[in-house]
Amino acid sequence: AQSVTQLDSQVPVFEEAPVELRCNYSSSVSVYLFWYVQYPNQGLQLLLKYLSGSTLVKSINGFEAEFNKSQTSFHLRKPSVHISDTAEYFCAVSGYRSSASKIIFGSGTRLSIRP
Amino acid sequence: EAGVVQSPRYKIIEKKQPVAFWCNPISGHNTLYWYLQNLGQGPELLIRYENEEAVDDSQLPKDRFSAERLKGVDSTLKIQPAELGDSAVYLCASSSGPRSTGELFFGEGSRLTVL
Repeated sequence: AQSVTQLDSQVPVFEEAPVELRCNYSSSVSVYLFWYVQYPNQGLQLLLKYLSGSTLVKSINGFEAEFNKSQTSFHLRKPSVHISDTAEYFCAVSGYRSSASKIIFGSGTRLSIRP
Repeated sequence: EAGVVQSPRYKIIEKKQPVAFWCNPISGHNTLYWYLQNLGQGPELLIRYENEEAVDDSQLPKDRFSAERLKGVDSTLKIQPAELGDSAVYLCASSSGPRSTGELFFGEGSRLTVL
């Protein structure tokens, strides 16, 4: 079985500052890792995912996450945030070759951007 | 392409009343999910359908919750009778199949308030 821990329930940052949202997972098997984002009054949408290959994955809007197997982490980073990045971010994990139904979500981190 | 459509967006009922939520997945997506999202928590799977078959309903409280997907397209989730603790957001998601490696497409959710 897999589990996900997002230690920070809220992260306030100033606009144009860098940000890191932390995610740690536990699993007895190899994993797929995901970050989903939920903008205000919208559904969750996939931001980026790690399936295999390069441990650094990037989204189209400047976020990136690095799979660190030794630290069982998949932290999300952005070098300079914008007001439009205000949202809740969910880290998720599934076992390697598991179906999408076995995705386990973290409790979420609310990113609030101050002007 | 239309996304996952859910209705109603908001529902307020008194305890012991019934309530139903409807979901229309993305066209061509055979796999449909119902998730429960409590305040400050990540989504938790209630039930997964492959076409019209419920293949994972282990987390669905069957004493009061029921779901159906009669023609393998849209789906309904029902609660009867509702309890105060059922207040939450009910999310519907779809994917292209059980081996979609994690990309779920979510609707905007149905927020239930039980008074």
